[in-house]
Amino acid sequence: GAGVSQSPRYKVAKRGQDVALRCDPISGHVSLFWYQQALGQGPEFLTYFQNEAQLDKSGLPSDRFFAERPEGSVSTLKIQRTQQEDSAVYLCASSLFGRASALHFGNGTRLTVT
Amino acid sequence: AQTVTQSQPEMSVQEAETVTLSCTYDTSESNYYLFWYKQPPSRQMILVIRQEAYKQQNATENRFSVNFQKAAKSFSLKISDSQLGDTAMYFCAFMKPYRISGNQFYFGTGTSLTVIP
Repeated sequence: GAGVSQSPRYKVAKRGQDVALRCDPISGHVSLFWYQQALGQGPEFLTYFQNEAQLDKSGLPSDRFFAERPEGSVSTLKIQRTQQEDSAVYLCASSLFGRASALHFGNGTRLTVT
Repeated sequence: AQTVTQSQPEMSVQEAETVTLSCTYDTSESNYYLFWYKQPPSRQMILVIRQEAYKQQNATENRFSVNFQKAAKSFSLKISDSQLGDTAMYFCAFMKPYRISGNQFYFGTGTSLTVIP
């Protein structure tokens, strides 16, 4: 497909379970971002990849959050031992590497922790 | 740190009318970009319009235009001839380019726009 693809679209997890969220960026996009969007809020930065290198993970809220992009394409955001406060929409975005490159977003994964 | 403020949580407009969404930001940077994104109920963030801070001319994209006031750090979005499909959350975003850690985007809290038939 031509756009950013995320799966699953919805995920319900019991507190304490591990979850894995997948992002398939636009082909050729070097930059990949993960954002967390709480209800009624704007996206908050989690982490950034340039190809396979994770250059910024300053937004990850705790060491339970882990992201990878081993081959510089598909990325996975993993949350271990989920807590209720992890409930949010997780957005993935990709872009070309350049000054004016806009973000292209996926549809997001809505995670609900019960 | 950069902050982006959208002071209008909700707005409504009659179909075919014009509406303006406000956005202010705080930065010490001189080189940056500003964006408006639209997020319909489908959740996908869609780029509406982009403005480069070094350009004085306001960006326009069909029915969408901006009023960029660099000194006042203001970046409002005007939607002309509003259509039902414009109903969505609108997010203003500030971007610092060319950092080692990648382009840094900062988003406001959004304005929920409803177009009334």
